[in-house]
Amino acid sequence: RKEVEQDPGPFNVPEGATVAFNCTYSNSASQSFFWYRQDCRKEPKLLMSVYSSGNEDGRFTAQLNRASQYISLLIRDSKLSDSATYLCVASSGGSYIPTFGRGTSLIVHP
Amino acid sequence: GAGVSQSPSNKVTEKGKDVELRCDPISGHTALYWYRQSLGQGLEFLIYFQGNSAPDKSGLPSDRFSAERTGGSVSTLTIQRTQQEDSAVYLCASSSGTALQETQYFGPGTRLLVL
Repeated sequence: RKEVEQDPGPFNVPEGATVAFNCTYSNSASQSFFWYRQDCRKEPKLLMSVYSSGNEDGRFTAQLNRASQYISLLIRDSKLSDSATYLCVASSGGSYIPTFGRGTSLIVHP
Repeated sequence: GAGVSQSPSNKVTEKGKDVELRCDPISGHTALYWYRQSLGQGLEFLIYFQGNSAPDKSGLPSDRFSAERTGGSVSTLTIQRTQQEDSAVYLCASSSGTALQETQYFGPGTRLLVL
């Protein structure tokens, strides 16, 4: 079983829609969580860190549920430019080596 | 400031040849990672360098793969006797190396095609 699992999608949504992705992790010792965004044929870039209390950055909200071992990303008022693959990342306590999920593809259409 | 750079951006080689991929991390970053990403797949961790410590090589898929980091800065990933299954995008990332919860900054990658 892969340590970090994501629904590969694609999620196909119209502009202005709200869309949410979940990501589950298997290692209960995981302590650090991130969402990265990867555009087609580009490198991943940090979208946001995920804190225990949840955090929001503009149209993006990330939440962590330790009991169920998942993190989520909510995108409100989707833009065409949000079309990308969103990678979930978890790092175990004491380890500097993160585990990346395979990513969830989002396509926002007019 | 300058980000992570990698060279070459693309590399086509014949099966059995050796290749070297280069990564220049962000200046001052002590942590450096190599990953491999195959088409439609997630990032596969290969090797991690932190300062002058011995690298974590636990992700290297075979002994054909090796990496060095000279002077705590530039890193070279070498693949000997390349195979077709080595075809992938090889991504390098660096971080400041001071904490667990850190942003990794990725280079643009080297697209390797083994014919």
